[in-house]
Amino acid sequence: QKEVEQNSGPLSVPEGAIASLNCTYSDRGSQSFFWYRQYSGKSPELIMFIYSNGDKEDGRFTAQLNKASQYVSLLIRDSQPSDSATYLCAVSAGNNRKLIWGLGTSLAVNP
Amino acid sequence: GAVVSQHPSRVICKSGTSVKIECRSLDFQATTMFWYRQFPKQSLMLMATSNEGSKATYEQGVEKDKFLINHASLTLSTLTVTSAHPEDSSFYICSATPGQGLYGYTFGSGTRLTVV
Repeated sequence: QKEVEQNSGPLSVPEGAIASLNCTYSDRGSQSFFWYRQYSGKSPELIMFIYSNGDKEDGRFTAQLNKASQYVSLLIRDSQPSDSATYLCAVSAGNNRKLIWGLGTSLAVNP
Repeated sequence: GAVVSQHPSRVICKSGTSVKIECRSLDFQATTMFWYRQFPKQSLMLMATSNEGSKATYEQGVEKDKFLINHASLTLSTLTVTSAHPEDSSFYICSATPGQGLYGYTFGSGTRLTVV
């Protein structure tokens, strides 16, 4: 059974702090890794994708991938109350294969 | 780019009737689209993979005769919930990608189905 695991949270951080979200996956054949943000009652929106080991930065977001340890993380710098949402980790074997989803981590950024 | 349009956004129907949900890729062609269902405070559950010009692939436990999927063109997939019952009330979301999924999948805005 291919699995993606996330801490459900809630993760609570003060405004301006760094939020760190973690995700582990079981399928070593996974090639593509995604972080989505989902606000309550809305559909998910893509924040970042990564498929090479190391860090990938985009604005306040940094995705980190370690294939040897089978984990991918998302750092949110200078967290804002508008970042409060559920963050979903998704993993794919590539080539239009279906995504395997984690259950999501709820993040609350407190003003 | 990579815009996915889903319609309707919200629908209320009577028990026993059928409801059709449309998913369109507006600025790209999608040979594959995915249909998800999400119950309140739960994660996404993949229902089926919609393949253009061929039969959809359903996940285990999803009734193919109840959730009819048609992917007749490279920009349109439809999900029909047949003989809907209150337990089918949920948030249905489609997704697609212009490539092979390397750069992520774009989601439609979702359809909130309420069966009364």
